[in-house]
Amino acid sequence: DTAVSQTPKYLVTQMGNDKSIKCEQNLGHDTMYWYKQDSKKFLKIMFSYNNKELIINETVPNRFSPKSPDKAHLNLHINSLELGDSAVYFCASSQGGRNQPQHFGDGTRLSIL
Amino acid sequence: GESVGLHLPTLSVQEGDNSIINCAYSNSASDYFIWYKQESGKGPQFIIDIRSNMDKRQGQRVTVLLNKTVKHLSLQIAATQPGDSAVYFCAENRDTPLVFGKGTRLSVIA
Repeated sequence: DTAVSQTPKYLVTQMGNDKSIKCEQNLGHDTMYWYKQDSKKFLKIMFSYNNKELIINETVPNRFSPKSPDKAHLNLHINSLELGDSAVYFCASSQGGRNQPQHFGDGTRLSIL
Repeated sequence: GESVGLHLPTLSVQEGDNSIINCAYSNSASDYFIWYKQESGKGPQFIIDIRSNMDKRQGQRVTVLLNKTVKHLSLQIAATQPGDSAVYFCAENRDTPLVFGKGTRLSVIA
């Protein structure tokens, strides 16, 4: 069984479009995250939700809007896509509290034409 | 500024040899550290973690060493196998979220 699953795995679209990435975890975790990995493999946190509530919002353009319908899902909607948004986006989850390992999905590769 | 980084961006080892991947951190307040392995086309996979009240922790073929005096973390892989080829990240926990280092690519030569 896949623990953290993201869809789609690949997303190719044109500049200016709006797109969404979905994430689901079946680990029973309380906290979910979105990360962006650039072409140099650098991983940076974007958002974190705990029990459907936003707890971390790093410096991310407001074109990016996370939505958590329940604690097992955290979706990422992106408006007016720009060339610089091209990256791999990873969803992750962890148990609540400090010092807990995060478990990652396999990523969504977003390519903006 | 505070950062988590790696000494070596690439590492090539012969199959069967031991690998050592190093990581430096600058925040002495960090109290939890994780090593992740990322294979091509996949997400980071948890390997092993260590809390700051320990200086060594062993898993299956892997050992993490923590030296708080010099703020250094290392991952040792015994008897490196071709399947160990991947990018390895260290991450530190300063409250939340995790802060990731830049990654080291490990290539295993058969």
